[in-house]
Amino acid sequence: EVQLLQSGGGLTQPGGSLRLSCVVSGVTFSNYDMNWVRQVPGKGLEWVSTISATGDTTHYADSVKGRFTISRDNSKNTLYLQMSSLRADDTGIYYCARRYTSSWGNWLDPWGQGTPVTVSS
Amino acid sequence: EIVLTQSPATLSVSPGERATLSCRASQYVSSNYLAWYQHKPGQAPRFLIYASSSRATGIPDRFSGSGSGTDFTLTISRLEPEDFAVYYCQQYDSSPFTFGQGTRLEIK
Repeated sequence: EVQLLQSGGGLTQPGGSLRLSCVVSGVTFSNYDMNWVRQVPGKGLEWVSTISATGDTTHYADSVKGRFTISRDNSKNTLYLQMSSLRADDTGIYYCARRYTSSWGNWLDPWGQGTPVTVSS
Repeated sequence: EIVLTQSPATLSVSPGERATLSCRASQYVSSNYLAWYQHKPGQAPRFLIYASSSRATGIPDRFSGSGSGTDFTLTISRLEPEDFAVYYCQQYDSSPFTFGQGTRLEIK
């Protein structure tokens, strides 16, 4: 069974930094692109960032570009999200998710349990 | 960017009845690259449907997806108590992949 176990997050002031981690087990981590998705209070799900299986290619939502950095350590089966210059509207629950690819396209499955991030003074 | 609009925002249905959730895309979604997820508070989102109508492994057959192009539907027949949750559609046809704003399915 593929499992994603998240850690990190918490409370920080505007302008602060946090790092999220996501440890993946039950699958060859280095074979898969990985993603971060967040749920902002009162709103739905928002894609945040994607990193390729090798870590060579990254993509970011415009809302976090230049402030967040996605990375991975395939030797540790771990995905990271370094968040800097945090703003109040970054508050939410952050999920890591594996991007599963098939001939029918690619989707997010499974997901981590979520990590709350609160940005407030 | 493809914008997905889900309706209704909230749907009240009694257990045992059928629920029909809609997802409309602002642009054509090719190859029916549309997925559905179920999300309960405090839990990880659960992958339900891919390619508009194919159930993911382990998903009960009371969940069914349909549609093509710009209009998609998730139908849950014979609602069970554990089915009450928020449901999201997501397109993976073009980057960035986007989600609808969700439909909250609540007990009537």
